[in-house]
Amino acid sequence: GENVGLHLPTLSVQEGDNSIINCAYSNSASDYFIWYKQESGKGPQFIIDIRSNMDKRQGQRVTVLLNKTVKHLSLQIAATQPGDSAVYFCAENLSGNTGGFKTIFGAGTRLFVKA
Amino acid sequence: DAGVIQSPRHEVTEMGQEVTLRCKPISGHDYLFWYRQTMMRGLELLIYFNNNVPIDDSGMPEDRFSAKMPNASFSTLKIQPSEPRDSAVYFCASSFGQGAGVDTQYFGPGTRLTVL
Repeated sequence: GENVGLHLPTLSVQEGDNSIINCAYSNSASDYFIWYKQESGKGPQFIIDIRSNMDKRQGQRVTVLLNKTVKHLSLQIAATQPGDSAVYFCAENLSGNTGGFKTIFGAGTRLFVKA
Repeated sequence: DAGVIQSPRHEVTEMGQEVTLRCKPISGHDYLFWYRQTMMRGLELLIYFNNNVPIDDSGMPEDRFSAKMPNASFSTLKIQPSEPRDSAVYFCASSFGQGAGVDTQYFGPGTRLTVL
């Protein structure tokens, strides 16, 4: 059928709780993954990344988990704050045979933090 | 650093007109990307450059779209003629290196294009 527009999944959490945002990526050969945060009226902003030879990486209040078996990526935000409210995108990078690469973004998840 | 700079921030034009979007990447970055974001299709990579050379333009939707990077500090995305379905937010991003462990793309604030 006709695509009537992306309906972003929404995650609503209470301030102070932990948030988990999930992403299924498409290509098992993708070798680099990134999480971006996009606030209203702004461009995507890098949060954290992970390479395919890792399964977990931690940043400040954020953790990314990679499960290559099921092609799943998750972003965990500890002690979620109102400023974390945004749309979160996962992106996968697939290196090409000729040295180029492809970056493919997921549809995004809207995180809403209730004060 | 001022980050990636895009101009204009907003553009309203009429169908059939030529539109030129501009981007100044972060100094020292050797990769530049053009993306389009719509509610229908999300964020799509249109084209990217490495050292001012177009590497992959397979995301460019039609021949009406063209992109250039005459030097390391400037790129343009041109739509001629523009159509209402081109209405979207166009982002430019830049990054330093690829495959060297530094692949983070830094995005500009975007240009919101409305074609009437």
